[in-house]
Amino acid sequence: DAGITQSPRHKVTETGTPVTLRCHQTENHRYMYWYRQDPGHGLRLIHYSYGVKDTDKGEVSDGYSVSRSKTEDFLLTLESATSSQTSVYFCAIRGQVNYGYTFGSGTRLTVV
Amino acid sequence: DAKTTQPNSMESNEEEPVHLPCNHSTISGTDYIHWYRQLPSQGPEYVIHGLTSNVNNRMASLAIAEDRKSSTLILHRATLRDAAVYYCILFNLRDDKIIFGKGTRLHILP
Repeated sequence: DAGITQSPRHKVTETGTPVTLRCHQTENHRYMYWYRQDPGHGLRLIHYSYGVKDTDKGEVSDGYSVSRSKTEDFLLTLESATSSQTSVYFCAIRGQVNYGYTFGSGTRLTVV
Repeated sequence: DAKTTQPNSMESNEEEPVHLPCNHSTISGTDYIHWYRQLPSQGPEYVIHGLTSNVNNRMASLAIAEDRKSSTLILHRATLRDAAVYYCILFNLRDDKIIFGKGTRLHILP
């Protein structure tokens, strides 16, 4: 598929533990995004990046941090996971001009 | 962010055309109209986008009203595989991001 992979695909973790989700792309795209999807809320933007070391907050950034030290990787970290962060997380990439977004297959995170 | 309005759900028969409407009365001159769809248990998938003129690709057609305050995604011949949630989104290059609404859940009847 389109050169974007998310890892892990599934994770169960305990409340209070740190968790890092990885998004890796092989398209050399400038823009990368993290969304979460929950029933009743649809897709909500957490953080996004418009270049190496350039990131910004989205709609629901509290409790999350991100890092982008190289073009191909965008990491989402939950410093201390809570049950409210149980969700499906999607990463997306976009090229330089008005191309459509390409989404990864998602990471299902369960915080118990 | 500019807003769009879509019906919550629609039904269509298999092998018939489907017209999915979207209203965006506050669209600005530099907003692109993007459509995505999300099949069950998958990430969203880009379908089509346009600015002013109607657009066609292998997946669908996009018809944009002359005043740009509404648009219609056209699936020419629906299959069961087209059952999904369809999102109409306004995208401005200045914003660097897209915000999803609730979309339209399309049911295809065999």
